[in-house]
Order: sequence, then C-alpha cells, then structure tokens
Amino acid sequence: DAKTTQPNSMESNEEEPVHLPCNHSTISGTDYIHWYRQLPSQGPEYVIHGLTSNVNNRMASLAIAEDRKSSTLILHRATLRDAAVYYCILRGSGAGSYQLTFGKGTKLSVIP
Amino acid sequence: GAGVSQSPSNKVTEKGKDVELRCDPISGHTALYWYRQRLGQGLEFLIYFQGNSAPDKSGLPSDRFSAERTGESVSTLTIQRTQQEDSAVYLCASSLARGVYGYTFGSGTRLTVV
Repeated sequence: DAKTTQPNSMESNEEEPVHLPCNHSTISGTDYIHWYRQLPSQGPEYVIHGLTSNVNNRMASLAIAEDRKSSTLILHRATLRDAAVYYCILRGSGAGSYQLTFGKGTKLSVIP
Repeated sequence: GAGVSQSPSNKVTEKGKDVELRCDPISGHTALYWYRQRLGQGLEFLIYFQGNSAPDKSGLPSDRFSAERTGESVSTLTIQRTQQEDSAVYLCASSLARGVYGYTFGSGTRLTVV
C-alpha cells in the first residue's frame, strides 16, 4: 500500500465541523482511499471509502482532490464520541492488497 | 453474528506458556485477518485467510505464531512459548471477498506476558 501522511493530532470544539486531512501523493489509479477510526480500547471501525468522487454516508463525508493526491474526512458536527484516532489508508485492488498499512493516524480531541 | 467476536478480551500469561486466541467472524465474510497492535503503535498485519485458499502467513513474526481457520468460520491464533515482546492487542477482522469495501474489526484480545 502507498504511504499516507496525516497530522499527529487535531482538536475540535463540540458541535463544530472537523476536517481531517490526508496526503497521498504516490497514490496509484486503482487505489481506494479508506478511512478508519479507533476509539480507546476498541478495534478500528470502518468510516468511509472512495475512489475518485466525493462520498457521503451517515458517519462522515470524504472529499477527494481532483488529482487524488489528497483527501479530507469531514465530520459535520463533532461529538465527544468522535474523539478517536483516525487512519487514512490506501487500499489497492491487486494481490496482497488486503494487508492494510495502518500508520499512526490523527488523534482527534473534541473539546466540550 | 452482528459483529466480529474475539475471546478472551484479556489474557495474562506467564512467559513461556502457550496461548490461544479465538475469533468469530461475521457470518458470510469469506476473508479473515489477524493484526497485532503494540501499545501506542499502528497495526501490524499477521495473517490472512480467504475461503479455502492457502493463507498468507507472511506477517507472522516467528515460528512461535500459528493460526488456523476451518472453512469460513472460527479462527484461532496460537502463540507458543510466549515472550514479553508478544504483549499487545491482537485484533481480528473479517470482510467480504478481499475487503475492498471495508473490514469489520473485533475489539481485540489484550495479551500481557509477565
């Protein structure tokens, strides 16, 4: 899997939107962009994924740059339960691509 | 079941003992993965099962580690002669096919070797 770069930590006020950035300048044309989050003492939780177009689901939105070299996970209204480590991962579609590479991620703190 | 179930949730063992960790994947998920997460670190891939195909064991750190899965059901990860460096959270995940559309993780087994 290609490398991604994320800030180590971010803070947000409760009920405000949060934009979590991810750079993936070496992304290949067949790589999907996946986001997971990990709450304290839990396993990672799938959040959203996309290939080229922006995506929305009940948890978040994913905005993908036109050149696909970066993406942003958007939480529309942060709650205290959103405090977690957020991982941006590139997921290929070829052989061996199931070995997800989880880096350090971004630790999101939500301030009441 | 509704999610991926792992047991035990916590395990404390003495150095040198063998341990067995269990994972119950989501029904219908053909793929199953084991990862290890040391304190404050990212996830390390250990092993991947897909249906009845030969597993990808390339992430297993030593021959003390082994895993089995019968068909598309339960998997067990066995660590023989545990060492203190084996202390970590062991996470299991399952997915449809090869997980292009996302993986579901269990809550993990926290292993402490004393």
